[in-house]
Amino acid sequence: EADIYQTPRYLVIGTGKKITLECSQTMGHDKMYWYQQDPGMELHLIHYSYGVNSTEKGDLSSESTVSRIRTEHFPLTLESARPSHTSQYLCASSSGTPVYGYTFGSGTRLTVV
Amino acid sequence: DQQVKQNSPSLSVQEGRISILNCDYTNSMFDYFLWYKKYPAEGPTFLISISSIKDKNEDGRFTVFLNKSAKHLSLHIVPSQPGDSAVYFCAATTSGTYKYIFGTGTRLKVLA
Repeated sequence: EADIYQTPRYLVIGTGKKITLECSQTMGHDKMYWYQQDPGMELHLIHYSYGVNSTEKGDLSSESTVSRIRTEHFPLTLESARPSHTSQYLCASSSGTPVYGYTFGSGTRLTVV
Repeated sequence: DQQVKQNSPSLSVQEGRISILNCDYTNSMFDYFLWYKKYPAEGPTFLISISSIKDKNEDGRFTVFLNKSAKHLSLHIVPSQPGDSAVYFCAATTSGTYKYIFGTGTRLKVLA
């Protein structure tokens, strides 16, 4: 079944650790995105990619980095986690047809202690 | 500057009645509008969309209305069911940008 997968679902990690949030999709979409959402707030775009070896920063400044070496895989990395990085991170993909929107993964709830 | 606004953070409705969720936007270049539903600890799921050339789109219990002159859209859920209790986000995009702008969401609670 075509879908988009995020791991882990929940992560509690200490300050200063390096973490990678995984995102993979099996729909063949060339466009992928990372959003950050705090409770009660809108979704903020932090990174996006329109194809292999193409990545851009989003509207919200983020200390994270991303890579797109394969079409289906779009991991997000934090080199040194801080408590201010505590948030929900949502990965999404799109075919680019505006009427269909994004398909989102289940999200990763990150807590940095 | 928030381009997509959902001014009601929460809404409670009795089961079987109509739920009306509202969304306003400021960018006249937006030409597609979508509604997403989000349960806690899950990603948003796509509900329904509408293009700016239409003023209404219906899918089962869900209907979206677009008023371009007022830059306003609304989602109607009839009849409301307890399983509809979730946070609803509206989103908007301009064709060719491939990015959506989201509102802050409205938490709907359907009371049994």
